[in-house]
Amino acid sequence: GAVVSQHPSRVICKSGTSVKIECRSLDFQATTMFWYRQFPKQSLMLMATSNEGSKATYEQGVEKDKFLINHASLTLSTLTVTSAHPEDSSFYICSARLLSANYGYTFGSGTRLTVV
Amino acid sequence: DQQVKQNSPSLSVQEGRISILNCDYTNSMFDYFLWYKKYPAEGPTFLISISSIKDKNEDGRFTVFLNKSAKHLSLHIVPSQPGDSAVYFCAAKSGGSNYKLTFGKGTLLTVNP
Repeated sequence: GAVVSQHPSRVICKSGTSVKIECRSLDFQATTMFWYRQFPKQSLMLMATSNEGSKATYEQGVEKDKFLINHASLTLSTLTVTSAHPEDSSFYICSARLLSANYGYTFGSGTRLTVV
Repeated sequence: DQQVKQNSPSLSVQEGRISILNCDYTNSMFDYFLWYKKYPAEGPTFLISISSIKDKNEDGRFTVFLNKSAKHLSLHIVPSQPGDSAVYFCAAKSGGSNYKLTFGKGTLLTVNP
């Protein structure tokens, strides 16, 4: 089946530094990737939608300059958390839309970011 | 404003019995609904989905029921197995070319042996 590989699975960084999270579609081309954030015991909140070769579309309240999204190829999308602060600590998950009739979506395994 | 609501944060059932997970939504523009299973520190795994033009979809032990007039859907798992223990998320997609999903907060299902 369609697999999205997300790395790293866990990362700890110092305040003020930047962290890059990668999502790769391994056996299909992902023209659209979604980036979510999940706080403990909360739902997955959509942060942005990235389309290959164009600028990402951010959800209301998400800082574009803080969460940089790049989708330069059909198999790779990256999320960079810039100047990270402790409140950015969260679980980040990417998802790709599958071009199948049932509107399938496949998710990465997530990245646990801890900013200290 | 929570457009997809899972009002039960947790549910505990005995192995072999039926698990019923509920989901309510407020946006009448939703035209597709999906259920995902999620373990801690992992991404969600797709379980089953249903189009708004249907009222039932079945796949093995999993059945999803949709009541459009009540804006309510439910996931039935029967028989429940200990391996089903996980957080279950209900998600909804709006019609048109917008493929964004809106998720509920999830329900933690525990199936006791």
